[in-house]
Amino acid sequence: DADVTQTPRNRITKTGKRIMLECSQTKGHDRMYWYRQDPGLGLRLIYYSFDVKDINKGEISDGYSVSRQAQAKFSLSLESAIPNQTALYFCATSEVGGSTTNTGELFFGEGSRLTVL
Amino acid sequence: AQTVTQSQPEMSVQEAETVTLSCTYDTSESDYYLFWYKQPPSRQMILVIRQEAYKQQNATENRFSVNFQKAAKSFSLKISDSQLGDAAMYFCAYRSYYAGGTSYGKLTFGQGTILTVHP
Repeated sequence: DADVTQTPRNRITKTGKRIMLECSQTKGHDRMYWYRQDPGLGLRLIYYSFDVKDINKGEISDGYSVSRQAQAKFSLSLESAIPNQTALYFCATSEVGGSTTNTGELFFGEGSRLTVL
Repeated sequence: AQTVTQSQPEMSVQEAETVTLSCTYDTSESDYYLFWYKQPPSRQMILVIRQEAYKQQNATENRFSVNFQKAAKSFSLKISDSQLGDAAMYFCAYRSYYAGGTSYGKLTFGQGTILTVHP
């Protein structure tokens, strides 16, 4: 089984619908992230969480919300989806990093492709 | 804030040849990490190679090596003996060395370069 699991893998929805993307991990990492990938823009950070009680906005958080239900679970919600939110979404985890033995490398899920019609 | 730029949207190479992907970044920090990630059609993000800024020696991983020029803020990826399985999107990414501070330990990505390998 994958260390970082995202559901659903693919989803098509309509404008105005509420959508939740879920992420769970078995790596035991405290840090979790949600990124969005768009062609020509790379990956951009939506939200990140350093532990269950620490959630922070990334560079493109408008229109999104998150919930850290447990150390292993981090969900991303689109309260009212719009076509502009059509993208590939990635969940990722990392250790704390900032040492010679731990670079804070991100470990990614397999992505959730969301299409908003 | 740090920025990462990949100026080559697409690159192509013949099988068994060598190709170099470019990446430049902007930062005021002296300690940081740089990464190259590979994204094949399966969408999985796979770490190819990492470089610690405090190390002068360029990182190598089998057929993959980097040319890290700290003063020029350049971090290129060289793929030798290219294989069909190397075809993918490649992302360059930056991470601050320090877990705290304004960067908060997150990775900043470039726009990506699509690599095509011709048989």
